[in-house]
Amino acid sequence: DAKTTQPPSMDCAEGRAANLPCNHSTISGNEYVYWYRQIHSQGPQYIIHGLKNNETNEMASLIITEDRKSSTLILPHATLRDTAVYYCIGPTTGTASKLTFGTGTRLQVTL
Amino acid sequence: NAGVTQTPKFRVLKTGQSMTLLCAQDMNHEYMYWYRQDPGMGLRLIHYSVGEGTTAKGEVPDGYNVSRLKKQNFLLGLESAAPSQTSVYFCASSYPGLKSDTQYFGPGTRLTVL
Repeated sequence: DAKTTQPPSMDCAEGRAANLPCNHSTISGNEYVYWYRQIHSQGPQYIIHGLKNNETNEMASLIITEDRKSSTLILPHATLRDTAVYYCIGPTTGTASKLTFGTGTRLQVTL
Repeated sequence: NAGVTQTPKFRVLKTGQSMTLLCAQDMNHEYMYWYRQDPGMGLRLIHYSVGEGTTAKGEVPDGYNVSRLKKQNFLLGLESAAPSQTSVYFCASSYPGLKSDTQYFGPGTRLTVL
């Protein structure tokens, strides 16, 4: 199983880009990196995932280093509604993708 | 589509009581999961199911039982509740694909055991 390391908290000014780092040095070659977020006490929400190439969707961009040991989630124009806990997850391989959640990064977007 | 729904939203139990949490999904997903989240912690997997009639243990299965009699429903049972089971319980579902297995979560059930 891949283990991930994230900073416990970050601040970002509204309208600026939020760059959330994640280290996953033990991720294996066929494991994806997933990002979820949890706003207040709601259920986690899927953001984006990637294997080795950079990915972009309507919510965010994911930059994965060439050696796959780390990645960065980018929220290009953070808003107050992006205040949440962001989880970087390297899933297990096997029959079901059992997500292993750490404690994530608490992103606070401020005016 | 309602997505993933959970019943009830809140519940208070006394030690030793039993209850069942219901998770329902209308996305025709094969896989379903039950997680628990304690204050200040990430989610931990309790049990999961890869299809109707199948269940498997996750990271913290003790004290819980599950059943998947219908594809759209996944039940989590507490036979004899303990204060240590006070937590927020999240259900999730997914349809595994060749390249990804994105999970969709319900809103959670907040359980307090006195």
